[in-house]
Amino acid sequence: QVQLQESGPGLVKPSQTLSLTCIVSGGSINSGDYYWSWIRQHPGKGLEWIGYIYYSGSTYYNPSLKSRVTISIDMSKNQFSLKLSSVTAADTAVYYCASSDYNSSEKIDSWGQGTLVTVSS
Amino acid sequence: QSALTQPASVSGSPGQSITISCTGTSSDVGNYNYVSWYQQHPGKAPKLMIYEVTNRPSGVSNRFSGSKSGNTASLTISGLQAEDEADYYCSSYTSSSTLSLFGTGTKVTVL
Repeated sequence: QVQLQESGPGLVKPSQTLSLTCIVSGGSINSGDYYWSWIRQHPGKGLEWIGYIYYSGSTYYNPSLKSRVTISIDMSKNQFSLKLSSVTAADTAVYYCASSDYNSSEKIDSWGQGTLVTVSS
Repeated sequence: QSALTQPASVSGSPGQSITISCTGTSSDVGNYNYVSWYQQHPGKAPKLMIYEVTNRPSGVSNRFSGSKSGNTASLTISGLQAEDEADYYCSSYTSSSTLSLFGTGTKVTVL
């Protein structure tokens, strides 16, 4: 199992771009075994897929967020990143990076600790 | 994306068994053995408890077991303990999307 750690600002102003990075340790991000994923959880609510990226660069996004989301991968740094543009208060949530099984994305066996991002002026 | 349906809450006394249901459709739970369950304590990240309907990752107590019948998957916790009090989420592969589905979540209370 890999270990994952999110980093990025905890406060973002409305209309700006939320940017988070996930550092992967204990394994290589160019392993074909995983989708590198972003999932969020609004306060007191359930889990919501944002999307994921495969080491090849293929990406899959939640249709409800697709127009605002970019997930990218940096193999030289063994990390992947999330950008969410034009944020509003509705994007305030805990953001998790995670590794989901390539053969079935519902199996998420490693999670970062999560980082709370608040959208406020 | 539609979420899988779970009861909002389930409770039980220490030592009892409880079962949490996760209802989907023939596009997800009903036709694929790719159902996982996650446990989430307050302020913590979710933890994988069951995958592929019935399999437990290494280190997960055998008090946790999974099953499926038709469009409904279930998680059973036997010998309920105080530490089992948490939120539980199911997840399933779906043929309708490239992203899997999450359940609505169930809060388990140990009385």
